[in-house]
Amino acid sequence: DSGVTQTPKHLITATGQRVTLRCSPRSGDLSVYWYQQSLDQGLQFLIQYYNGEERAKGNILERFSAQQFPDLHSELNLSSLELGDSALYFCASSVDGVGDNEQFFGPGTRLTVL
Amino acid sequence: GNSVTQMEGPVTLSEEAFLTINCTYTATGYPSLFWYVQYPGEGLQLLLKATKADDKGSNKGFEATYRKETTSFHLEKGSVQVSDSAVYFCALSMDSNYQLIWGAGTKLIIKP
Repeated sequence: DSGVTQTPKHLITATGQRVTLRCSPRSGDLSVYWYQQSLDQGLQFLIQYYNGEERAKGNILERFSAQQFPDLHSELNLSSLELGDSALYFCASSVDGVGDNEQFFGPGTRLTVL
Repeated sequence: GNSVTQMEGPVTLSEEAFLTINCTYTATGYPSLFWYVQYPGEGLQLLLKATKADDKGSNKGFEATYRKETTSFHLEKGSVQVSDSAVYFCALSMDSNYQLIWGAGTKLIIKP
C-alpha cells in the first residue's frame, strides 16, 4: 500500500459526459501528479501540482482540468468525454516535487467511455 | 525532446534465468533515471533509481547502472522468479521539469 488513495476505482460513462477523479496523497506529501495510461499512448504525464499551485503541464487536453485543494487532495476533471479517453488514470505524490524524489502511485481509476 | 526507449516485449523466461531489459534515453542535460514495476491489477512501484552517471541502483535482486557514455540504464537480475512477472517501465526526470517521462513498458513473463 503506497498511501496514495484514488476514487473511484472504476468509472463507466457515456461520450459527452463529465467525470471527476479524486486523489489523496500520502500524508506529508505536497506534490501531486496525474498520469494517463492507455494502450495506444502508453504512460503520459498530464499535470503536476505543488502545495496548491500548478507546477508543470504535460500532454493534458483542454477538456481536462485539475486542481489541488488546501488539504492537498487533488481532483482531475474530464469533460466532453470521447471514446479515446478510456484509460487508466494514476495519481502519484511526492514529498516536495523535486525531480529525483520518489513518486508514490495510487492504484488508479479505470475510466471506460461507451 | 527528452525520451526513453525500452526493448519491446513480452519477454518470456524460465525461472532462474538471467534477465536483461534494455533502456536507453535521450535528454538535454543530466536526468535522474528510474525503473518502476507494475504487477497485474496494481499501480506502479518504484523498483530502483540512479541520479548521476555511474550510479548503480539496486533492489530485490534487480540492478541497473546509469551509463552516460551509452545513455543507457539496463535492468538486470541474475535469477528471476515467477513472482517477478510484471510490466517494467524505465523513466527519466529532469530537475528543471519534475514530470516522469516514460518508456513504453516491457512485459516480463516468467514460466516455472
